[in-house]
Amino acid sequence: AQSVTQLGSHVSVSEGALVLLRCNYSSSVPPYLFWYVQYPNQGLQLLLKYTTGATLVKGINGFEAEFKKSETSFHLTKPSAHMSDAAEYFCAVSDRKGGADGLTFGKGTHLIIQP
Amino acid sequence: GAGVSQSPRYKVAKRGQDVALRCDPISGHVSLFWYQQALGQGPEFLTYFQNEAQLDKSGLPSDRFFAERPEGSVSTLKIQRTQQEDSAVYLCASNLGTGELFFGEGSRLTVL
Repeated sequence: AQSVTQLGSHVSVSEGALVLLRCNYSSSVPPYLFWYVQYPNQGLQLLLKYTTGATLVKGINGFEAEFKKSETSFHLTKPSAHMSDAAEYFCAVSDRKGGADGLTFGKGTHLIIQP
Repeated sequence: GAGVSQSPRYKVAKRGQDVALRCDPISGHVSLFWYQQALGQGPEFLTYFQNEAQLDKSGLPSDRFFAERPEGSVSTLKIQRTQQEDSAVYLCASNLGTGELFFGEGSRLTVL
């Protein structure tokens, strides 16, 4: 069974500061890992994903994440926060049901950007 | 259409009413998933289709929940005799059978 733990239900940073959202996972198979962003009253938008290969993956809007197998982590970072980054962020792991990428999500982290 | 389309976007039901939520996936997408997202929580898996076959319904919370995808395209999630605890956003997602899942904007159900 897969599971995802996101540390911190709320994270507040100043505009221009480093963003760090933490995600740890457990998986019985080599994981596919994802970060999604959700703006109010909208669906989920993929930020980035790790499947195989390079462990540092870059996504949209300047975000990146590093897969660390030894730490079972996939933390999301952005060097300089922008006001438009304020949203809910979800980490997810794929259990690849029937070969398809069904996802198990964490509870989410609400990112607050202080002006 | 270009993306996953869900309707209605908002639904208010009185306790005990039946509701039906529709998902129109991206054309050609083989896999279709339904998730339930309670307020302040992450999405939780409900059920999964590959074409018209429902391969996993382990996440459906009770026998009041039923999903179908009879022609392997549009899917309907039906909730009978709605209860207040059913209030949530219901998300539909699809993909080609592998790779990125594309999500709709969700149907927000409020049960009074």
